[in-house]
Amino acid sequence: KQEVTQIPAALSVPEGENLVLNCSFTDSAIYNLQWFRQDPGKGLTSLLLIQSSQREQTSGRLNASLDKSSGRSTLYIAASQPGDSATYLCAVSRENTGNQFYFGTGTSLTVIP
Amino acid sequence: DTGVSQDPRHKITKRGQNVTFRCDPISEHNRLYWYRQTLGQGPEFLTYFQNEAQLEKSRLLSDRFSAERPKGSFSTLEIQRTEQGDSAMYLCASSLQGNEAFFGQGTRLTVV
Repeated sequence: KQEVTQIPAALSVPEGENLVLNCSFTDSAIYNLQWFRQDPGKGLTSLLLIQSSQREQTSGRLNASLDKSSGRSTLYIAASQPGDSATYLCAVSRENTGNQFYFGTGTSLTVIP
Repeated sequence: DTGVSQDPRHKITKRGQNVTFRCDPISEHNRLYWYRQTLGQGPEFLTYFQNEAQLEKSRLLSDRFSAERPKGSFSTLEIQRTEQGDSAMYLCASSLQGNEAFFGQGTRLTVV
């Protein structure tokens, strides 16, 4: 069974700092990897999707990388803002089917003004 | 189309009662997923539809749970004889094939 781990579990940084969130997975036979943001009591907002054949994706201040062979992904957030405070979740889907996502437990980010 | 819509947003029910949740996916998406999330955890897969066919069910989905997606459009998730352990956030997501998944705001269930 796919196991997804996110480190650190919680992170607190001053506004303006660049930061990196880590995600690792045990089975490299993935279809794609997706990063989400979740605000307290809310649903998930999709941030970036990386297909298994891709190495990275960028959207605004966010950059996600994927090293499928080593089972790792990172989410880089540049020039953090208080509005970035949320829980960040990564999820991987199985090869050939892309139907079921396996989620990590998330990294809770607090950006201090 | 403004995204995946879930109804209700919150539901409080007494133990033993039945509850039903609704999910309206993004209109052109053929895949629909249900997940359950408890506090401090990541979402856990419950079940998945491709069009109207329910193709996969998790072992988490006991016989008290049933999901439908008539005509491949909206979906319902019913929980019969609710238990306190069913208290969680129930999340619905949709995607086109196995591409980017979009989630709704969830239904928060509290069983008292």
